[in-house]
Amino acid sequence: DTGVSQDPRHKITKRGQNVTFRCDPISEHNRLYWYRQTLGQGPEFLTYFQNEAQLEKSRLLSDRFSAERPKGSFSTLEIQRTEQGDSAMYLCASSLEAEKLFFGSGTQLSVL
Amino acid sequence: EDQVTQSPEALRLQEGESSSLNCSYTVSGLRGLFWYRQDPGKGPEFLFTLYSAGEEKEKERLKATLTKKESFLHITAPKPEDSATYLCAVPPDSSNTGKLIFGQGTTLQVKP
Repeated sequence: DTGVSQDPRHKITKRGQNVTFRCDPISEHNRLYWYRQTLGQGPEFLTYFQNEAQLEKSRLLSDRFSAERPKGSFSTLEIQRTEQGDSAMYLCASSLEAEKLFFGSGTQLSVL
Repeated sequence: EDQVTQSPEALRLQEGESSSLNCSYTVSGLRGLFWYRQDPGKGPEFLFTLYSAGEEKEKERLKATLTKKESFLHITAPKPEDSATYLCAVPPDSSNTGKLIFGQGTTLQVKP
């Protein structure tokens, strides 16, 4: 059990650029979640995968956001045409049991 | 609307000074209340799950309790290493995917 791994840890980009983040969950976990967290707030749900199927997306997830989990292993989260309001910590979590989530250390995105 | 509210937002204690953190929730059919600890620059780390009113869980200097509308995280004789943000979370009524709604957290600082 090496834990949930996220890459990169930090990303600085200019407004309008596209960015992609990667998450490697704990190997035997079939559930994978993406959350977003801003300073002083708790994590906010973005999307959920069970194996390779994306089963739920938050209404907060605009069309500029897309997530994939090919073959039910790692996952990517892409943000197109970034805006300054996208600046946040993007957290990935995985689990075997519902709700008992194991989080990665996150990708801190800064949009200039 | 499902909601989780934590108080206080910030708490400063002297080492050894016991206190409690509060988490109130509004989901109607509680399917578990979760406590997480988050250190700066890291993802949340699972602490406890409570499922029914009256249930208690303990880990070192932390004890979590649950009533029908709120949960408390009691910290007994805290040490500086207990300094962190403590988050509580519940599954929303509208989803059974395992996603969680988080409170905004209580940031605890324990001074030596």
